[in-house]
Amino acid sequence: GENVEQHPSTLSVQEGDSAVIKCTYSDSASNYFPWYKQELGKRPQLIIDIRSNVGEKKDQRIAVTLNKTAKHFSLHITETQPEDSAVYFCAASSSNNNDMRFGAGTRLTVKP
Amino acid sequence: DAGVIQSPRHEVTEMGQEVTLRCKPISGHNSLFWYRQTMMRGLELLIYFNNNVPIDDSGMPEDRFSAKMPNASFSTLKIQPSEPRDSAVYFCASSSGTVEQYFGPGTRLTVT
Repeated sequence: GENVEQHPSTLSVQEGDSAVIKCTYSDSASNYFPWYKQELGKRPQLIIDIRSNVGEKKDQRIAVTLNKTAKHFSLHITETQPEDSAVYFCAASSSNNNDMRFGAGTRLTVKP
Repeated sequence: DAGVIQSPRHEVTEMGQEVTLRCKPISGHNSLFWYRQTMMRGLELLIYFNNNVPIDDSGMPEDRFSAKMPNASFSTLKIQPSEPRDSAVYFCASSSGTVEQYFGPGTRLTVT
């Protein structure tokens, strides 16, 4: 089955700096890669996703890149703000089976 | 739409008692997922249903756990008998077949 690894487990940046979180996956059949943000005590919420037919996707300050050959994908947050502080999860799944596997999460702290 | 609805939001029970968690997916969604989240193990997929049929229950920790989906608008996750190590936040999520999953608010279970 799919195995998703996520690094780093914790990340601390100064407000305004960029943050990068990286994930690798094992199943070459995976073709959907979402990123979720989970604030303390809240539910995970989808912030951006990418499918295997594209290499990059942007939404304002957030971007995700995908390297299918190397089986890794990354989340980039630019101009970080304190409200970006949360735990971020990457995930991978195949549209054929809906079996989504999550990374272990990255706790991002943005210092004002 | 009210989103995914879970009940109860908090449950405190004694070891050995039966616990039933409930989920109402987003109307029109045909896939439903149960996850368990703990600090030690992160976000784990327990079981998921497509069109009310259980597809993969390999994540269910043991026979004490069971899940049902009697119709398209309701699912239960039951633990019998409960143990202190079952203490966690249990999330239900649903999707419409386009793979994006929407999480409910979660049930925080404490077994003493």
